[in-house]
Amino acid sequence: QQQVKQSPQSLIVQKGGISIINCAYENTAFDYFPWYQQFPGKGPALLIAIRPDVSEKKEGRFTISFNKSAKQFSLHIMDSQPGDSATYFCAASRGSTLGRLYFGRGTQLTVWP
Amino acid sequence: GAGVSQSPSNKVTEKGKDVELRCDPISGHTALYWYRQSLGQGLEFLIYFQGNSAPDKSGLPSDRFSAERTGGSVSTLTIQRTQQEDSAVYLCASSLWGQGAHQPQHFGDGTRLSIL
Repeated sequence: QQQVKQSPQSLIVQKGGISIINCAYENTAFDYFPWYQQFPGKGPALLIAIRPDVSEKKEGRFTISFNKSAKQFSLHIMDSQPGDSATYFCAASRGSTLGRLYFGRGTQLTVWP
Repeated sequence: GAGVSQSPSNKVTEKGKDVELRCDPISGHTALYWYRQSLGQGLEFLIYFQGNSAPDKSGLPSDRFSAERTGGSVSTLTIQRTQQEDSAVYLCASSLWGQGAHQPQHFGDGTRLSIL
């Protein structure tokens, strides 16, 4: 079954707005949560990642919020730009699986100028 | 520096044929992963290599799928007797090995496989 559930499937945001993508997981053994950005015809590229010992991590306009008790984490893109239009994947892994990533199904983000 | 290189970028073949997909990881990356991305789906794990050995093959969907890695570098994923449901983008990723610490996985641009 899907170990990481992602929503929404698609998202349309006005330029300058905030994009929010949510993920949830069940396996409490997960200890690493990366987000990947993928443009058409390209492979996914790591955007930002968080471990469960922190509740928030910010890199530029991208922020991960992590709620360990709810087993949820989210990506916030501040001041969204048309160049941010891409598919975003959340993922999770645990050390015992030697780095294997469990991915959500992706969110297609469109930012209108 | 060079990223993960995959070839061919596109492959069209007839049902029942065998195909080989190649991955050339980032130099010095000892960990190598294969994933499959189908339309509308997330990335599905296939197999993981540490050096030349594959401690996790649990994601291979059937015995028609196999993979090897030689010299701790290039890897090939082979699909025998291809079926239409094998049509997907096959992605390879590599990373440093951090002795249990999570290292970022760097992806290639994939091989788009189409089975007619």
